[in-house]
Amino acid sequence: KQEVTQIPAALSVPEGENLVLNCSFTDSAIYNLQWFRQDPGKGLTSLLLIQSSQREQTSGRLNASLDKSSGRSTLYIAASQPGDSATYLCAVNGGGGSEKLVFGKGTKLTVNP
Amino acid sequence: NAGVTQTPKFRVLKTGQSMTLLCAQDMNHEYMYWYRQDPGMGLRLIHYSVGEGTTAKGEVPDGYNVSRLKKQNFLLGLESAAPSQTSVYFCASSYQRGGPETQYFGPGTRLLVL
Repeated sequence: KQEVTQIPAALSVPEGENLVLNCSFTDSAIYNLQWFRQDPGKGLTSLLLIQSSQREQTSGRLNASLDKSSGRSTLYIAASQPGDSATYLCAVNGGGGSEKLVFGKGTKLTVNP
Repeated sequence: NAGVTQTPKFRVLKTGQSMTLLCAQDMNHEYMYWYRQDPGMGLRLIHYSVGEGTTAKGEVPDGYNVSRLKKQNFLLGLESAAPSQTSVYFCASSYQRGGPETQYFGPGTRLLVL
């Protein structure tokens, strides 16, 4: 059974700092991995999707990497801003035609002005 | 283009009552999903559908039923609500042939069972 772990559970940083969020998964047979953002009381918004054949994806100040063989992904946020404060969720898709996702419990990020 | 919408946004039920949560998507997606999110547990898949008229069990299906009579709608039913079903319920959809593979989420339904 696939298990996804995110470390740390919470992180507080000053504005402008570069930071890394970690995600690990137990079964390396994945189809893709996604990073989502969730604001309090809201739904999830997809940030980046990395296919199993890819090593990284970038969108603006965000960069996600994937090391499938070691079961790890990182989300790098450059020059953090207070607006980046949210919970970040990692999810893996095991394929099989249904695109079911297994989620980690998330990292709650607070960026202080 | 409204994306994924959920009805209602919030509901309070008494133990034993029944209700149906409605999810609708206007992106012509084939796949739809129901998740629940609980503190300390993350999001867990309840049921999902890979096409109109099809449904399948996810990780935590007990106490729930679903139906996908129309491609754009996915209904989640609670026949006899229990306090353990107090949660935030999210619907998601994905997959249009040739389109992006990400899942799109609705805003959630907060359910309190007393």
